This record gives sequence, C-alpha cells and structure tokens, in this order.
Amino acid sequence: GENVEQHPSTLSVQEGDSAVIKCTYSDSASNYFPWYKQELGKRPQLIIDIRSNVGEKKDQRIAVTLNKTAKHFSLHITETQPEDSAVYFCAANTGTASKLTFGTGTRLQVTL
Amino acid sequence: DTAVSQTPKYLVTQMGNDKSIKCEQNLGHDTMYWYKQDSKKFLKIMFSYNNKELIINETVPNRFSPKSPDKAHLNLHINSLELGDSAVYFCASSPVGGHTEAFFGQGTRLTVV
Repeated sequence: GENVEQHPSTLSVQEGDSAVIKCTYSDSASNYFPWYKQELGKRPQLIIDIRSNVGEKKDQRIAVTLNKTAKHFSLHITETQPEDSAVYFCAANTGTASKLTFGTGTRLQVTL
Repeated sequence: DTAVSQTPKYLVTQMGNDKSIKCEQNLGHDTMYWYKQDSKKFLKIMFSYNNKELIINETVPNRFSPKSPDKAHLNLHINSLELGDSAVYFCASSPVGGHTEAFFGQGTRLTVV
C-alpha cells in the first residue's frame, strides 16, 4: 500500500522566516497531493493541493512543489506568522485513488 | 451550515461498553471515511465508503462496525471498548474518493476509562 513519510516532525522558526516541510511517497500511481493544517483542538483543513501534471503551485505565502521522478513533494511557507503555528499533514492518494494516506505530521511553531 | 458534522464531540465511557458515533455530510459527496487520530497525532484511515458500499477496511478490529444507511451518513459503532481505543475519531467526505479534497468533521474525542 501507499506509504507517506514526512519530515521534520517538529519545526521551530522565527516570525518572518520561511518554513519547509518535505514528504515522500511510495506509490508511483499517486496523482493527488494535498496539504492540511490542523490547529490545536480543531479539524484538519486543506490549505493547498497539487496534482501530478503540475510541478509547482502557489497561493499567497504558501507554495507546494512536486517531483514525480523522485516521488517527493514539499510545502513552503514564506514570511511566517504566529497564526501559522499548527500541525501540518501531507497526503497522497493511492493508485486506486480510493483514499488519502497521510504523513505523520509536522508541528510548526512560529516564535516572535 | 456545517458541511460534515459528527456527534458527539466528546465521549467518556468505561471499558467494555458499546458506543456509537454518528456522521452526516450535506455536501452531496459520494465517499465518506472514518479516520483515527491517536495521541501522537497520526491520522490513520479506518474505513472508506462509496455510495453506501464499503470499499476500504484497514485491518481494523471487528469490534468496530461502520454502517452507512445512505450516502450522506456514516456511523461508527464500537463494541467492548478498550483503553487503546481512546483517540479522536474524524469523519470525512470527498466528492470522488482520493482524487479530491477530503472535508473533515470536527472530531469525536473518545476517552475509555
């Protein structure tokens, strides 16, 4: 089955710095890669996603890159703010595309 | 108007009891899921239903029995609760299986004492 690895497990950055979270996946047939943000005590919510026919996607301070050959994708957050502090999850769909498999999560702490 | 709603939000119960969690989505999605999030925050899929049919059962103990009376509802019944079942259970739905965004409910924090 699909295996999604995510690094780092914790990340602390100063406000205004950039944060990068990396994921690798195992199923070469995966074609949909969403990123979710989960604030403390809340539900995971989609912040950005990318499909396999695209190498990069940006939405304001957030960008995602995908390298299909190497089977890895990354989340980039620029000009971090305290409200970016949360747990971030990457995910990938399976070859049969019947489910999303999530990475193990990255706890991002943005300090003043 | 809540898109994916699950009840109850909190559930505290004794070992050995049977409990149910209900989930409803008003998004018209075909696919619904149950995910378990443990104390380390790992999100693991338990079940996936498409149009009321079970399509994924991720080697979950058979004490856990999902039921989908229609495509807008997916309930989870748990028999003989154990301490290790304590976790947050999230219901989610998506339009087209794993091809699209999954929308999560607010979660049910289950504590078994």
